[in-house]
This record gives sequence, structure tokens and C-alpha cells, in this order.
Amino acid sequence: QSALTQPASVSGSPGQSITISCTGTSSDVGSYNLVSWYQQHPGKAPKLMIYEGSKRPSGVSNRFSGSKSGNTASLTISGLQAEDEADYHCCSYASSSTSGVFGTGTKVTVL
Amino acid sequence: EVQLVQSGAEVKKPGESLKISCKASGYNFYTSWIGWVRQMPEKGLEWMGIIFPSDSDTRYSPSFQGQVTISADKSISTAYLQWRSLKASDTAMYYCARRGAGGGAFDIWGQGTMVTVSS
Repeated sequence: QSALTQPASVSGSPGQSITISCTGTSSDVGSYNLVSWYQQHPGKAPKLMIYEGSKRPSGVSNRFSGSKSGNTASLTISGLQAEDEADYHCCSYASSSTSGVFGTGTKVTVL
Repeated sequence: EVQLVQSGAEVKKPGESLKISCKASGYNFYTSWIGWVRQMPEKGLEWMGIIFPSDSDTRYSPSFQGQVTISADKSISTAYLQWRSLKASDTAMYYCARRGAGGGAFDIWGQGTMVTVSS
């Protein structure tokens, strides 16, 4: 299966909101509400930020929110902060292979 | 504390075999799937496969089926990722992660194992 499509980069100023898209197909993102989002700082392991499309694990700031429309999932970061500068990866279950598939990754820059 | 601790960095030659490990602690190893994720230099994450340690049920991404072997030893709460014959293109960081959140999300990650394959 092919990787989910994310924009290569997104940027915003402190305090602004940004949205990262994650586009798949009817066999993955579109069929299930099983998209998760991960934040990865340089040289670090990924960290779970959103699961089941819109749920936040304990300890994750409520500035992070997830949603889905059709075959596209989205991660919104509101009140952008310098510490949010990182790579973000989406992931979905893929029924065609009964496995998972990650997105291409998005670099978020805080201007 | 729930954690996954991976084995150290490896430098290998093409054609050599390798097995890296991921030791779990702080939770019941039997009850959660463990997955492996590849990250090639300056690239995104790739879902390789998962294993359920209780019965060793294993699922692979089509891209990695036949290229690697995922296994687990529940007696020592450790999962493994193995290659029979490494290629230069296997050079990457490899992460193990627990599927402990809803919907198959990976909630706990190991620190990563860097594998370098070079002649």
C-alpha cells in the first residue's frame, strides 16, 4: 500500500493555528476512525498525540485536536508555541493488508 | 514505569544477519501488540509489522513481508526484529512501540536502534 499523503511543511507564527492534512483512501483513512498522530523532535522517538482520530492521551495539551472528513484526516495545533516545532506523522489502519500505514510526514516550523 | 528499551546501535556488512531486541517492562507484556517501525535517514516513518506476544500472532506490511522476521520471547518480555541477509538499503533507525492506545495507536516507544549496513 502507499503512504498517506501529508504536506511536506507547514509554518505559522506563535499563537496562530495551523492544520496538517493526511490524505488516504477509502481502504484506510476513509473506512475507519483509526487515525493516530505522532510528534517527533529531532533525534527523538515519536510521541503519540492523537488516537482514534480525535482522542488525546493523558498529558497531551488540548491545543492539539484531530478530525476527519472523507478520506482526509487533520491535525490542528492551536496557540502555536516554539516547542511545537517538530515533525508530525499520521498513521491509519489499512484493511487491504490488515496492517498499518504511516503518512509521508510534515515538518512544522514556528516562525 | 512502562517502558521499552532497545538494544544498541549496530554496524554490519551487506549479507550479514542481525537480530535486534526490544525489552518491555512496567506492564503485562502478554496483553499488548508490539510493533516495529523503520525510519530511513531524513525520511518518514514506515509501519513494518506487529506481534501479539501471547500467541505470537504476527502481521506484516506487504512492503516488509519476507524481508524481516518479527518474533517475541514472552518469558523475558522481549520482542525481536531479524534479518537473514542485510542490504545497504536496510540502513535506518528502527523503533519498537506498544499498541496500547485505542484504534491500534502506538502509545509507548523504544528509544530506537540505529542499524548501519556498509561494506
